[in-house]
Amino acid sequence: EAGVAQSPRYKIIEKRQSVAFWCNPISGHATLYWYQQILGQGPKLLIQFQNNGVVDDSQLPKDRFSAERLKGVDSTLKIQPAKLEDSAVYLCASSLLDNSPLHFGNGTRLTVT
Amino acid sequence: GNSVTQMEGPVTLSEEAFLTINCTYTATGYPSLFWYVQYPGEGLQLLLKATKADDKGSNKGFEATYRKETTSFHLEKGSVQVSDSAVYFCARNQAGTALIFGKGTTLSVSS
Repeated sequence: EAGVAQSPRYKIIEKRQSVAFWCNPISGHATLYWYQQILGQGPKLLIQFQNNGVVDDSQLPKDRFSAERLKGVDSTLKIQPAKLEDSAVYLCASSLLDNSPLHFGNGTRLTVT
Repeated sequence: GNSVTQMEGPVTLSEEAFLTINCTYTATGYPSLFWYVQYPGEGLQLLLKATKADDKGSNKGFEATYRKETTSFHLEKGSVQVSDSAVYFCARNQAGTALIFGKGTTLSVSS
């Protein structure tokens, strides 16, 4: 089966600019997650979708981050405006059910200068 | 709180050495426990898991046993290879919540 697809693979922007990341989960996976992985740390959940509804966005910095999953398939994560501390790898993952193993994409490495 | 704590790295071993990476968790109830691995340049991959107390997860020669009494899920391998060099993440979840990860432990194996 095809894995979780993410793009772009790398992105470099200046602070205060905007950026968007795209994720295509494994076909049929109802649950989609966005994680932020800062260098030297474990991934931290930003938002969890079940189909096109938000299950958990308690750790999403909503003043600058937004995410959507229209039609319950693809998802986009946006940062506007970016800060230096947003430099990280942004990981998308999907799972068949809420409590089943997560499958991760290769991530988007964001550098904010 | 609910968290996962794993041993600080990096861990540096010679080929065929014995590996242990410690992991403990705090949680309400009985979470499922996981080890994920991230090889250089690749995404996170599930290595093994255990869903209830005393379960042993195993894969590729790695093992971890769910110990409720010590709230631990230590990763072990009897004889590591150079190809095992990667970052290893311990994680937990519970029904209705996403994965909570430890900070990761870097393993470097030399020949």
